[in-house]
Amino acid sequence: GEDVEQSLFLSVREGDSSVINCTYTDSSSTYLYWYKQEPGAGLQLLTYIFSNMDMKQDQRLTVLLNKKDKHLSLRIADTQTGDSAIYFCAGLSGTYKYIFGTGTRLKVLA
Amino acid sequence: DVKVTQSSRYLVKRTGEKVFLECVQDMDHENMFWYRQDPGLGLRLIYFSYDVKMKEKGDIPEGYSVSREKKERFSLILESASTNQTSMYLCASSSSTAPYEQYFGPGTRLTVT
Repeated sequence: GEDVEQSLFLSVREGDSSVINCTYTDSSSTYLYWYKQEPGAGLQLLTYIFSNMDMKQDQRLTVLLNKKDKHLSLRIADTQTGDSAIYFCAGLSGTYKYIFGTGTRLKVLA
Repeated sequence: DVKVTQSSRYLVKRTGEKVFLECVQDMDHENMFWYRQDPGLGLRLIYFSYDVKMKEKGDIPEGYSVSREKKERFSLILESASTNQTSMYLCASSSSTAPYEQYFGPGTRLTVT
């Protein structure tokens, strides 16, 4: 079945760049999304990329998509302590079937 | 700004009680979803609805039912709460047009004792 995999943890120093990676199995995913979840809160949509794009930049966020390898990444430039959270990638098949990864916990060290 | 609100942030119920979790969205979205989130298991879809009075089972519908009488409101019902339903419940809504962005509520942390 469809699967989305992420590494569990990432630790970076404040001011460095963070790169969070995701691999997915469903080649029919039309859109891919990145969400941020802070403790005790819901998921906040950060950005998305259409499957026929390679890259999308949105302020400090850069999304890279390698469709051949089914690999998605989120780069956060100039990472701040407020970026500490769990980050989820998700793929969409059809118009309502969202497949989520298990999340990457990002810890930013001051 | 899309707003998805959930009726409670924290809820404590006893085993066997009937529990109602309510969700309201203000963006006129066609699709609404209920997920549960458990450590190590990620988000699992319980039910979703693509129109008023329409519903589809997700991956883990057992022990749950839903109701959608109005477009903006989607309710999750635990017919007889059990301890294994202790979890974080997340409601979401999305449009039926691209890019199908899905927006989440703040979540309800339910504890069943």
